[in-house]
Amino acid sequence: GEDVEQSLFLSVREGDSSVINCTYTDSSSTYLYWYKQEPGAGLQLLTYIFSNMDMKQDQRLTVLLNKKDKHLSLRIADTQTGDSAIYFCAVSYNQGGKLIFGQGTELSVKP
Amino acid sequence: GAGVSQSPSNKVTEKGKDVELRCDPISGHTALYWYRQSLGQGLEFLIYFQGNSAPDKSGLPSDRFSAERTGGSVSTLTIQRTQQEDSAVYLCASSLAKGQGAKGYTFGSGTRLTVV
Repeated sequence: GEDVEQSLFLSVREGDSSVINCTYTDSSSTYLYWYKQEPGAGLQLLTYIFSNMDMKQDQRLTVLLNKKDKHLSLRIADTQTGDSAIYFCAVSYNQGGKLIFGQGTELSVKP
Repeated sequence: GAGVSQSPSNKVTEKGKDVELRCDPISGHTALYWYRQSLGQGLEFLIYFQGNSAPDKSGLPSDRFSAERTGGSVSTLTIQRTQQEDSAVYLCASSLAKGQGAKGYTFGSGTRLTVV
């Protein structure tokens, strides 16, 4: 079946890089997404990668995809206190169109 | 509209009562999704609409939950005889096609449901 796993917490110092990891089980994924959720707010799409890509860079964000290991990561360079939020990995498939979400990783950035 | 609109933003209801949650998707978005986020949990898929039909209802947790969509636009999620475990944030999302677009889905801000 479809399952997406993330570690629950990550704490970094301001200015450091953050790496949030995600693993998934179903190899028939098409698009893989990273969403950000700030307290009391909805989900904000940060970035996405198509399953035939290995890497995508967008300003401070770098997404790495290892299809063989079914592993996705999000690197945030020069992490700021404003980056503190919950980050969700989500995977979509050809069948059904729904997104399967991980549990979310709470990123805490300390000054 | 400019974004996905959900109402009400907050709802407190007594156990056993029925509730209706509304979602107004982005104009022209044919696909609509309902998710549930319980406290400290990830997002749990509930149901997916393509137009007015629901090809995937696999996430509805029980027969107390139902949803409909009319005119290919507004959707209503109904929970009958609410229970305390139904307390959660209910999120709606819409997308242009079958959710395979490169930009993914646009989410609403959610309805926070509290069953007391």
